[in-house]
Amino acid sequence: KAGVTQTPRYLIKTRGQQVTLSCSPISGHRSVSWYQQTPGQGLQFLFEYFSETQRNKGNFPGRFSGRQFSNSRSEMNVSTLELGDSALYLCASSSGLGSYNEQFFGPGTRLTVL
Amino acid sequence: DQQVKQNSPSLSVQEGRISILNCDYTNSMFDYFLWYKKYPAEGPTFLISISSIKDKNEDGRFTVFLNKSAKHLSLHIVPSQPGDSAVYFCASTHQGGSEKLVFGKGMKLTVNP
Repeated sequence: KAGVTQTPRYLIKTRGQQVTLSCSPISGHRSVSWYQQTPGQGLQFLFEYFSETQRNKGNFPGRFSGRQFSNSRSEMNVSTLELGDSALYLCASSSGLGSYNEQFFGPGTRLTVL
Repeated sequence: DQQVKQNSPSLSVQEGRISILNCDYTNSMFDYFLWYKKYPAEGPTFLISISSIKDKNEDGRFTVFLNKSAKHLSLHIVPSQPGDSAVYFCASTHQGGSEKLVFGKGMKLTVNP
């Protein structure tokens, strides 16, 4: 079974731009969660989608948004990029909501904002 | 406010010895705790978990201990192997509540041959 895939793996943007990251979950998984990893803050929860609906949201500004498609693939979007948005963005999939012990992470997208 | 704290950023141990990784939490509603391991250029992988109804869970070389009164959990790795060298994250959640996973900042474990 293929794992969680994230594209692109690396991305360089400049302040003020917007970016879209993509996540393809493991086949059959319907829950997709997004996390931001920075050296100072560790992993921070962004949002979770299940059956195309956002079920949970972390404490991030409205510039961070996401969506999930009918095939469970998910995208997250960050608008008006700031230097502090430079981070590793991780996507994780699981079969159901809150199934954290069955949650599989992708390799992440490394975003650098200049 | 950091609800899950891993106060030691790094730990170095000799191969064959015990590694003890510590984690403290502040939210008394947390009732499910997990440890993840992360290698460079890879996403975290689930290692072991424990529910608040238990105080110990064991899986091979990995044991997690939970002290609810102290709001403290620890991961023991015995014996430590060089392949265990990675960053370890502690995470907690309130099942049936918000169910968001709250992670610590991580701790880098180095096991020396």
